Amino acid sequence: EAGVTQFPSHSVIEKGQTVTLRCDPISGHDNLYWYRRVMGKEIKFLLHFVKESKQDESGMPNNRFLAERTGGTYSTLKVQPAELEDSGVYFCASSQVPLVGGYTFGSGTRLTVV
Amino acid sequence: GNSVTQMEGPVTLSEEAFLTINCTYTATGYPSLFWYVQYPGEGLQLLLKATKADDKGSNKGFEATYRKETTSFHLEKGSVQVSDSAVYFCALSPPSGGSYIPTFGRGTSLIVHP
Repeated sequence: EAGVTQFPSHSVIEKGQTVTLRCDPISGHDNLYWYRRVMGKEIKFLLHFVKESKQDESGMPNNRFLAERTGGTYSTLKVQPAELEDSGVYFCASSQVPLVGGYTFGSGTRLTVV
Repeated sequence: GNSVTQMEGPVTLSEEAFLTINCTYTATGYPSLFWYVQYPGEGLQLLLKATKADDKGSNKGFEATYRKETTSFHLEKGSVQVSDSAVYFCALSPPSGGSYIPTFGRGTSLIVHP
């Protein structure tokens, strides 16, 4: 079984530019989550999809962040325009049921905004 | 609100040393508790979990006991190996019936030298 795939693994962009992160969940996993870890701090929840619907987006920091999951398969997270404080590692996770013990995480995308 | 506090790292040990990584939490009710591990270049993996007071989670020689009286879930291993070098995250999930979105700690980096 293929795992959760994220790309790019690293991205360095200038402040004000746009970046799109992609997450391919495990096939058949309806639940998809985005998290972010700013260096040295907690992993923070961003949002939760069930299929193509946003179940909970309470963790999205502001309207510069846009997440989509068209067709209920892969998901994208777009940051536009990027700011310095957006730097961090963005993790995606998927699960068949919304249970923390059932999460499978991707290896993350390290975003650096300069 | 819910929170998880982990000891700051990095924790540097010699091979075969005893490991303790402290984790304490604040939550209402009886959350489930987890330890996740992130090896270099990989995603977070569930290491072990405990769902009720006095439960002991164990895996790969690691153990953690759910202590309600001290609101703690310390991670221990009797003899660490170089391959245990990773970042360890403590997390809690609210009691069933509430949100499944977990709260993570800041992570503790473990470096094991030969």
